[in-house]
Amino acid sequence: RKEVEQDPGPFNVPEGATVAFNCTYSNSASQSFFWYRQDCRKEPKLLMSVYSSGNEDGRFTAQLNRASQYISLLIRDSKLSDSATYLCVVNRDNYGQNFVFGPGTRLSVLP
Amino acid sequence: NAGVMQNPRHLVRRRGQEARLRCSPMKGHSHVYWYRQLPEEGLKFMVYLQKENIIDESGMPKERFSAEFPKEGPSILRIQQVVRGDSAAYFCASSPPASNQPQHFGDGTRLSIL
Repeated sequence: RKEVEQDPGPFNVPEGATVAFNCTYSNSASQSFFWYRQDCRKEPKLLMSVYSSGNEDGRFTAQLNRASQYISLLIRDSKLSDSATYLCVVNRDNYGQNFVFGPGTRLSVLP
Repeated sequence: NAGVMQNPRHLVRRRGQEARLRCSPMKGHSHVYWYRQLPEEGLKFMVYLQKENIIDESGMPKERFSAEFPKEGPSILRIQQVVRGDSAAYFCASSPPASNQPQHFGDGTRLSIL
């Protein structure tokens, strides 16, 4: 089993739809969590950090459930420009930097 | 503030040559990470370095690949005697020493082996 797993995708949704991505991690000592997006042939870009209380940034909402070792990303009113691969990233070492990337979930928003 | 700087953006080498990829972290970042990505595949961790130290090289191939992050200057990923299978995008990321801070990525170097 991989340490960080994500919905296999791809997700094909119409513009305006709400889409949710799920991510699970196996290391209970993991300390910090992030969502990145990666466009085709580009570098990953930080979308948002995920805080224990959940956090929202415009159309994007991230949730963390430590008990279930589960992270989610919700995108509301999806736009064509949201089409990308979404990467769940877990930092499992609070005293160092040990980032583990999930395999990613590809999203295509269709007109 | 300049982001993570990688160069060159594109590098073409013939089989058997050496490839050197450079990465300058963001200002204030002392942690550097290298990743490789093949077309249509996910990011694969290669190595994690701090200044003058390799912290984790569990993703580095055993032969031909090496990395350094000297006290002065950029981090270097070096591939000796390149083969066709080394063709990929190589991304560098950096993060600050404080924990709980995310990585930031450079634009990557696209390596093509003829």
